[in-house]
Amino acid sequence: AQTVTQSQPEMSVQEAETVTLSCTYDTSESDYYLFWYKQPPSRQMILVIRQEAYKQQNATENRFSVNFQKAAKSFSLKISDSQLGDAAMYFCAYIKYGGSQGNLIFGKGTKLSVKP
Amino acid sequence: GAVVSQHPSWVICKSGTSVKIECRSLDFQATTMFWYRQFPKQSLMLMATSNEGSKATYEQGVEKDKFLINHASLTLSTLTVTSAHPEDSSFYICSASRGALGIGQPQHFGDGTRLSIL
Repeated sequence: AQTVTQSQPEMSVQEAETVTLSCTYDTSESDYYLFWYKQPPSRQMILVIRQEAYKQQNATENRFSVNFQKAAKSFSLKISDSQLGDAAMYFCAYIKYGGSQGNLIFGKGTKLSVKP
Repeated sequence: GAVVSQHPSWVICKSGTSVKIECRSLDFQATTMFWYRQFPKQSLMLMATSNEGSKATYEQGVEKDKFLINHASLTLSTLTVTSAHPEDSSFYICSASRGALGIGQPQHFGDGTRLSIL
């Protein structure tokens, strides 16, 4: 069965600094998608970034980038120039290509605090 | 774009009451909608998946008679917690997708509904 593991329950970063959140997953599939979602204190989940497994190039979205290591089954999120508004729970998620609707698997989340 | 509205945001009611939660996609047609339950400091637990016009698919362990899901249109899905009891108190989140997740379509989430049963 596929699993998603976020080994850091909590992380802290100084404003304007860079932080990396870890995510590992376990799957026997070769084609899949990986996501990072952000859940701020207002509780609405927001998609941060998406990575297709077949793409070797790491996805980037402004200050957010990922380090996708397919062989190692690792999918870390790097936040550069951290801002106070980045404080939130971050969830890593996986779904296999062609997976049924219910096969989106979330990690347990990492709570990120940003210090001014 | 891709806004999902969930209503109400907070409900407090007596045990035995049935509570309906609405999830609407405001600016897109949602092929599929999802209902999650989230306990404090926990991840999202998928309860069920609904496709417009068809019966919802429930995850193992979720009582379909307790959690009634209706997906009557491409923009609206409802979750009704029937005869709610204190153990049903939780944070319920809906999400919607334009297409199949398995081809990379992201989910767009509502704000969530905090349900408190007294």
